[in-house]
Amino acid sequence: EDQVTQSPEALRLQEGESSSLNCSYTVSGLRGLFWYRQDPGKGPEFLFTLYSAGEEKEKERLKATLTKKESFLHITAPKPEDSATYLCAANAGNNRKLIWGLGTSLAVNP
Amino acid sequence: EAEVAQSPRYKITEKSQAVAFWCDPISGHATLYWYRQILGQGPELLVQFQDESVVDDSQLPKDRFSAERLKGVDSTLKIQPAELGDSAMYLCASSLLTGLSYEQYFGPGTRLTVT
Repeated sequence: EDQVTQSPEALRLQEGESSSLNCSYTVSGLRGLFWYRQDPGKGPEFLFTLYSAGEEKEKERLKATLTKKESFLHITAPKPEDSATYLCAANAGNNRKLIWGLGTSLAVNP
Repeated sequence: EAEVAQSPRYKITEKSQAVAFWCDPISGHATLYWYRQILGQGPELLVQFQDESVVDDSQLPKDRFSAERLKGVDSTLKIQPAELGDSAMYLCASSLLTGLSYEQYFGPGTRLTVT
């Protein structure tokens, strides 16, 4: 069965303390791995799409990487405004249906 | 910057009443999705449209939920009658149908509370 698992469930960092969020996936024929940011009470905001192992993408303090089994979202020198839930999702079929993880809730303390 | 529009943002309704949500996707996006999200969980796909046609409604509780996209642009999701367990965030998303670029862009959501 296709599945996406995110860890940790929650992470608390001090401002400037770099860390990584993990997204493990077991899907047949990955066609894209997506990262989203979601603030409380709002819809998910698209961050990155990764298509093949070895691919990396960056945006400000965030960098997403992909291997054949997992993806990492690296956060460098985070700021309080990076506090949010980070969701990953995998697409493994022709109908573009996404399989979602439960998210990692990140809190960055000033 | 183009955005997905949803209304209302918040809805409180009593059990057994009817409720409807509206979504206007990003212009030119042929694919439209309705999701339900419970706090602490990822979004759950309810229905997916390609233009005006339903592609996937396997998780839509069809005894009480209905969705339409009559002209292939905006869409309405209806619940009748609402039940207490329907309290959740209802999200609309849209995507292009070209090549590998099918990122889904989400609207702000409608927070439904059923009392």
